[in-house]
Formats: sequence, C-alpha cells, structure tokens
Amino acid sequence: DAGITQSPRYKITETGRQVTLMCHQTWSHSYMFWYRQDLGHGLRLIYYSAAADITDKGEVPDGYVVSRSKTENFPLTLESATRSQTSVYFCASSWGGRGSPLHFGNGTRLTVT
Amino acid sequence: KQEVTQIPAALSVPEGENLVLNCSFTDSAIYNLQWFRQDPGKGLTSLLLIQSSQREQTSGRLNASLDKSSGRSTLYIAASQPGDSATYLCAASYGGSQGNLIFGKGTKLSVKP
Repeated sequence: DAGITQSPRYKITETGRQVTLMCHQTWSHSYMFWYRQDLGHGLRLIYYSAAADITDKGEVPDGYVVSRSKTENFPLTLESATRSQTSVYFCASSWGGRGSPLHFGNGTRLTVT
Repeated sequence: KQEVTQIPAALSVPEGENLVLNCSFTDSAIYNLQWFRQDPGKGLTSLLLIQSSQREQTSGRLNASLDKSSGRSTLYIAASQPGDSATYLCAASYGGSQGNLIFGKGTKLSVKP
C-alpha cells in the first residue's frame, strides 16, 4: 500500500535496552521526520532528513540516533532507553517546498519500564 | 522564541453549528501554516496548507485563513458533524528545510448529535 508505515505499532522495553523504530514511505519524498508526542508538550521534532545520508537534529535529539541509507527508510534508534523516552513516536514525510504538506504515519507507542 | 498557541484547548458544539478554531503564532516570518486533524490513536492527517503568500485555502466544508500581520490563522468548519470530532492542530513552518515546524497543542473538538 502506498503511504507511510511505522513499525512496530506498540513496543514495551526495559530501561537500558536498545530499541529501533522503523519508518517506511512509498512516495519517494525527500524529507522525513521523527516527532514525539507527549501530554503537555505536544509534538516535538527529534531528527529530520532532507535526503539519503543527510540528517539533522531537531528540538529533542539527545538519546536518539537516526540513519537514512535509502530514501524510503528512516529508522530511529534509542541507544539506551530511559523512562523519559516513553512516548508516542510519529514519522512523517514531505516533498519539501512551500506547498508541500506533511504526511504522518500512525505512530509507535513506546513504553519503557 | 517561536511559539504556536491554540485556544481553546477543548470545544464542544451541537451538530450543525458553524465553528472557528484559532491558531496564533509569535513569529510572522512563516513559510507556511498547516492544519491537521488527529483522531484518537492515529497519526495526523493534513487538512489544509496555506503558503505565506496566500490568505486562505478551502477544502469542502473547511476554510483556513492566514493573517501574518496579526500572527493568526483560523480554521472554519461549516455545518459541523459528529464525524468532525477530533483534535485539530496547527503548525507554522519556518524556513525551506521544513525542519523548523512548530506545532500548537491542539483543540479537541466534540460535535454532539
């Protein structure tokens, strides 16, 4: 199916473990983004990528690592998960440019125990 | 600091009513302004995007306006329906990279039958 797919949909992990959230888009969009959504904070940008092999930090990058070896994939890794990283994570993509809307995946709900 | 504010945080209206959702932003040098809808447990769906050179955009029963001088955008929903119940978020984009998209915390709309 065309669109943007995130996996897993739900994840429970323990403090200190490494976990990777996957994001795949079929539009060949140049830009891809990772956001986290928390009550009281709204949506905050973690990392974004303008093209394959080009990534940049957002507002809250600490504790996260991203890579983009292929245009369609943009995985987010928590190297050593902490309870403060319990959140809903959204991946998004766009063509870029003034008239290009952001398209979101359905999110991954991550719980760190 | 660039901030986006949405007031009220929640709104309940009877079916059939016309309503306006408000979004204000502190930095008028925006690239574009986007309105999204979020259903519970889902990602964000793009509704309308207004570029900085535009004053309004329309899609069906939705009309979004942009007034950069006053730092405000409004989303007008005509003849509201129970299916319109959702959280509506606005986001201001600053800069061509789209890495600097600032989200409001949303207005939770409930349309009563």
